Amino acid sequence: AIRMTQSPSSLSASTGDRVTITCRASQGISSYLAWYQQKPGKAPKLLIYAASTLQSGVPSRFSGSGSGTDFTLTISCLQSEDFATYYCQQYYSYPPTFGQGTKLEIK
Amino acid sequence: EVQLVESGGGLVQPGGSLRLSCAASGFTFSSYSMNWVRQAPGKGLEWVSYISSSSSTIYYADSVKGRFTISRDNAKNSLYLQMNSLRAEDTAVYYCARAPPSFRGDYTPGYFDYWGQGTLVTVSS
Repeated sequence: AIRMTQSPSSLSASTGDRVTITCRASQGISSYLAWYQQKPGKAPKLLIYAASTLQSGVPSRFSGSGSGTDFTLTISCLQSEDFATYYCQQYYSYPPTFGQGTKLEIK
Repeated sequence: EVQLVESGGGLVQPGGSLRLSCAASGFTFSSYSMNWVRQAPGKGLEWVSYISSSSSTIYYADSVKGRFTISRDNAKNSLYLQMNSLRAEDTAVYYCARAPPSFRGDYTPGYFDYWGQGTLVTVSS
């Protein structure tokens, strides 16, 4: 199975900050990568697919980039509602696998 | 509005069985592949199983292969997960998740654009 590794595992930031989360695949996955946001007690929500395509309804402050093995999720100007856990997921091959998550906390 | 509503979770003893259901509405269920994804308490996300729109293609995670069975009833807009020989490590919130159509077909995975609210399965004596 393809292993997905996110960094950092946790991150403290303030509203208005720009933050970047990275995701590395253990082998090349082209651009078959998605990002999700999960808040406590809630289901994950799709933010980005195909590495850089914003899901409908997701604010433009979220952006994704990368291909091959290295990917990033950037939030350009943190809002209070963005404090959550973020997961990357590869869908290049079975089984689809997720990163371990990055918890974004308020500083 | 797309809605996915899971049910059937609960407390079960090790070795027991449980059947989860996911009721879909707000989209043409028969046109979409579906998945089950689980999350152990305080842990990350783990994909469990996939079923294509016509049920012709099915995949399982190695951790559940031979014990879990995914199925669907397109006439009832419903997805199911039959879980047998349950173990403590199967304790998790189970989500049903929709996968949008892909040009790559049924033999490659997809991402998950809509998720249900989840149902908790607890395996304990």
